[in-house]
Formats: sequence, structure tokens, C-alpha cells
Amino acid sequence: AQSVTQLDSHVSVSEGTPVLLRCNYSSSYSPSLFWYVQHPNKGLQLLLKYTSAATLVKGINGFEAEFKKSETSFHLTKPSAHMSDAAEYFCVVSDESGGGADGLTFGKGTHLIIQP
Amino acid sequence: DTGVSQDPRHKITKRGQNVTFRCDPISEHNRLYWYRQTLGQGPEFLTYFQNEAQLEKSRLLSDRFSAERPKGSFSTLEIQRTEQGDSAMYLCASSLGQGVTYEQYFGPGTRLTVT
Repeated sequence: AQSVTQLDSHVSVSEGTPVLLRCNYSSSYSPSLFWYVQHPNKGLQLLLKYTSAATLVKGINGFEAEFKKSETSFHLTKPSAHMSDAAEYFCVVSDESGGGADGLTFGKGTHLIIQP
Repeated sequence: DTGVSQDPRHKITKRGQNVTFRCDPISEHNRLYWYRQTLGQGPEFLTYFQNEAQLEKSRLLSDRFSAERPKGSFSTLEIQRTEQGDSAMYLCASSLGQGVTYEQYFGPGTRLTVT
């Protein structure tokens, strides 16, 4: 079975300061990991994905994440927050073992608040 | 707009009524997925199609839920005898192929309220 745990339900940072959204995963096999963002009244958008290539993954809008197998973590970072980054962020795992469903397993989400 | 579309965007129904939601995927995408998202939670996978074939339905929440994709293009999700616990956002996604190589593109969702 696969799962993800997002360690913070809410994160508040000031505009221009770094962002860190934490995620730990559990998977019986080599997982693929993703971060999705959900802005109010908009569809989920893929920020970045890790699929067993480089462990440091760069995504859109200046976000990046590092896969750390020893820590079973996939934390999302951004050097400088922008007001437009305020949204809900989901850490996601996909485990393709055994040819099972390709449905994604989402964490509960982290609400990112940007203070002016 | 060439993205995934869902209709309606909002649905209010009374308990016990049947509802049907439609999803139109990106035109060349052969995989289509349904998820449910309740308040304060991440989306939960329900079912998916490869063209018109429904390859996974054990994760549908009960036998009141069913989905179809009759011609391998649009899909419908039906909930029979709705209950208040069915109130949620229902999301559809599509992808070009199998596996994580292919990104799942999500629609805006249909918000269901059961009164």
C-alpha cells in the first residue's frame, strides 16, 4: 500500500521569503512522486514530478523538490514566495507495482498563505 | 479551451435523487480518471478507463456509484439514491497514456451538495 503524509495543514510565510512544504511517503515499491497545486475554483495543476531520474526535481513557477529515499521525504521548496503562490498544495504518490490502477494517492493538502 | 471540462460545475440535489455528471477529456487522451474530493481532504481515486474499457472499479465507494465511457470519449459518473455523505467535489482527469510518464490533467470539478 502507498500513502503520503503532509506534515503541515497550513503554512504561512511572508512574501519574498522561502517556502517549505513537507511531505513523507510510504510505498512498497519505487514510487513516483508529484506535487500538485490547486487554486480556488481552478483545476489541479502539476507542479513537478519525480520518476526515478534526478533526485532534485525542478518544476514550474520556481518550485523544486528533492527526493530523499533514506528519509522517505519529498519536500517542496521555493526560494522566494509570491502572492500568487497562495493555494492548496498536494503531495501525491503513484505506485505502479503489479500493473494496478494508475490512480494517484493524494495527501490531505497544505494550505499556503502568503502574508504581504 | 482545450482542457478537461466537466458539467455541471455545481449540482444541488435532494437526498434520494439520482445525479449524473459528465466529463469531456482532452481529445487525444485515451485514459480517463474519476476522483472525489471532500472538504479538507485530498482527492480520492474512484475509477478509470482505457478508451471505453473500465479497468478499475473496486475503488468506487458503493454500488450506488457507476461510471461509463461508451465511445471512449466523454464519460459520465452516476450516483443513485444520493446521501448527504455524497456531498463533495467530483474531479475528472485524463492522460495520453499509461503510467506516470503521462501527466494527468484535471478538470475544474463538479461540486455536489446533497440536502
